[in-house]
Amino acid sequence: DVVLTQTPPTLSATIGQSVSISCRSSQSLLHSNGNTYLHWLLQRPGQSPQLLIYLVSRLESGVPNRFSGSGSGTDFTLKISGVEAEDLGVYYCVQGTHAPYTFGAGTKLELK
Amino acid sequence: EVQLQESGPGLVKPSQSLSLTCSVTGYSITSNYWGWIRKFPGNKMEWMGYISYSGSTSYNPSLKSRISITRDTSKNQFFLQLNSVTTEDTATYYCARGDLAYWGQGTLVTVSS
Repeated sequence: DVVLTQTPPTLSATIGQSVSISCRSSQSLLHSNGNTYLHWLLQRPGQSPQLLIYLVSRLESGVPNRFSGSGSGTDFTLKISGVEAEDLGVYYCVQGTHAPYTFGAGTKLELK
Repeated sequence: EVQLQESGPGLVKPSQSLSLTCSVTGYSITSNYWGWIRKFPGNKMEWMGYISYSGSTSYNPSLKSRISITRDTSKNQFFLQLNSVTTEDTATYYCARGDLAYWGQGTLVTVSS
């Protein structure tokens, strides 16, 4: 199975601070069809996971543009440009290129 | 608006079967893929499997022959059955559309005697 390594496991931030989360894959996530099925989710406390970014860098409808994704191959990054209180929760990267689909261990974003 | 809702028993005895239903509104399950994902105590997430728009299925090999995902297109529902459960199957179970854009609210299933 593809292993996704997320760092850091915990992130402390102040409101307005910009932060980044890394997701490294044990193998390339470039599919033979040319797509890279690497996505980012946010799970707020008490809520279901929410899709933020799909296909590395595409912003899901309704998601604020302070969220951005980048990367290729095996290295990917989620950036939040100016953390807001509603951004607190656990962030996951997830890959859908290779079956079985797998998730990173999560990064908990908390207020400093 | 697309909505998903899980339902089923919150407590299952060891060695028995876990059965959950996902009811979908606002979108036909004969389009797209529909999956089950679970979150264990702590943060670990596991993709369990999916059923496609045509009814074909794909499962996580880690679940071996214990899992079955089926559907009832007339009710726009799909189902999860997990056999021979142990305490390690205690988790919050989510149904989701295959692109992960829509999720149910999740249902906690505890395996305990």
